[in-house]
Amino acid sequence: EVQVLESGGGLVQPGGSLRLSCAASGFTFSWFAMTWVRQAPGKGLEWVSTIHDDGVGIFYADSVRGRFTISRDNSGNTLYLQMNRLRTDDTAVYYCSKAAGATTGNYYFDYWGQGALVTVSS
Amino acid sequence: QSILTQPPSVSGAPGQRVTVSCTGSSSSIGAPYDVHWYQHLPGSAPKLLIFGNNNRPSGVPDRFSGSKSGPSASLAITGLQAEDEGDYYCQSFDSRLNGFVFGTGTKVTVL
Repeated sequence: EVQVLESGGGLVQPGGSLRLSCAASGFTFSWFAMTWVRQAPGKGLEWVSTIHDDGVGIFYADSVRGRFTISRDNSGNTLYLQMNRLRTDDTAVYYCSKAAGATTGNYYFDYWGQGALVTVSS
Repeated sequence: QSILTQPPSVSGAPGQRVTVSCTGSSSSIGAPYDVHWYQHLPGSAPKLLIFGNNNRPSGVPDRFSGSKSGPSASLAITGLQAEDEGDYYCQSFDSRLNGFVFGTGTKVTVL
């Protein structure tokens, strides 16, 4: 059974940092791209970042580029999101998801975790 | 910022058919990149409903179907059931942004 489980959420002050982790199981992690998606309170889903299976191809939303860094450990089946210079509008539930699809432009997200809440507040 | 536009809400009685539209642009759906749909029920993780414009993952009822034409796509739900009540999102890729985009989201209400 495919499972992805996020951890590392919490309360952080504006300007602070936090690292989210996503432990994957039930599939060959090193074969698939992975993605972070977030949902702010009362808002819709927002794509954050995607990393290719080999960790080389990386994509970011404009809203987080330069502040967030996505990475992965294929030997440990774990995805990460390092979040720096956090702002109050980064407050959201952050979901980890497995990507599928033949080409990057046609990726879809077929398995999702339950999410990790990140609250940025003073 | 989302550049896939969906209606804020649609509603229907049990058993009826409802559709959710998703309008993109020449750099996204019209490029043409595939459109995918997700169901997000309260308190749950988002769930893949349709991939590759009109394909259902294993376990998704055939009451759900997708279509695409030019820069737009649609999700149809036939035989509407109370358990279908929730939020629905389309998703694609945008070459101008060089990233993925979700639609603005549509709340489906069963009357």
